[in-house]
Amino acid sequence: DGGITQSPKYLFRKEGQNVTLSCEQNLNHDAMYWYRQDPGQGLRLIYYSQIVNDFQKGDIAEGYSVSREKKESFPLTVTSAQKNPTAFYLCASSMGQGAGNEQFFGPGTRLTVL
Amino acid sequence: AQKVTQAQTEISVVEKEDVTLDCVYETRDTTYYLFWYKQPPSGELVFLIRRNSFDEQNEISGRYSWNFQKSTSSFNFTITASQVVDSAVYFCALSDWSGYNFNKFYFGSGTKLNVKP
Repeated sequence: DGGITQSPKYLFRKEGQNVTLSCEQNLNHDAMYWYRQDPGQGLRLIYYSQIVNDFQKGDIAEGYSVSREKKESFPLTVTSAQKNPTAFYLCASSMGQGAGNEQFFGPGTRLTVL
Repeated sequence: AQKVTQAQTEISVVEKEDVTLDCVYETRDTTYYLFWYKQPPSGELVFLIRRNSFDEQNEISGRYSWNFQKSTSSFNFTITASQVVDSAVYFCALSDWSGYNFNKFYFGSGTKLNVKP
């Protein structure tokens, strides 16, 4: 079955720690995205990548970093510089880079800072 | 600037009632795309429909229907004979070509639908 997997489902972090969220897709999509969702709010774009070895900042990139070494994988690192990291993180992918391509989402990772 | 507004934060209905979720968008582009996604309690966003700006035909899929009106910049979603399984947060989103060279989505803040038995 084609789809997007994210791990772990739940993640707990102590203040000052970096943590990495995994996102893998087997849809052969070129473009991948990371979003952050806070309670009662819409999705905000953190980073996106249109092609392997290339990625760009989204609307709220501060305190986050990504890599895109393989087409299938787009991990997100939440660094200690992110002041309020507790949120629900969603990874998505789309076949094309242009407007109008539907984005497919993974099941999400819920990050809690202790 | 692009914007999607879902003014209804939360709606509660009793099973078998019809319910309409409102979505109003803003864009200066003549070519754009509108989407609806469902987010059940499990958290994953599920794609429901995509509409391009040149196709104003209403669409029906089972109990779901969508009313796209460019004159009022609205793309409303109706669930007929709602069921408990329809309980979720529903997001409306816009994608267009202005200012970005990638598939940027503008999401509304979502409408939480509670369907009670």
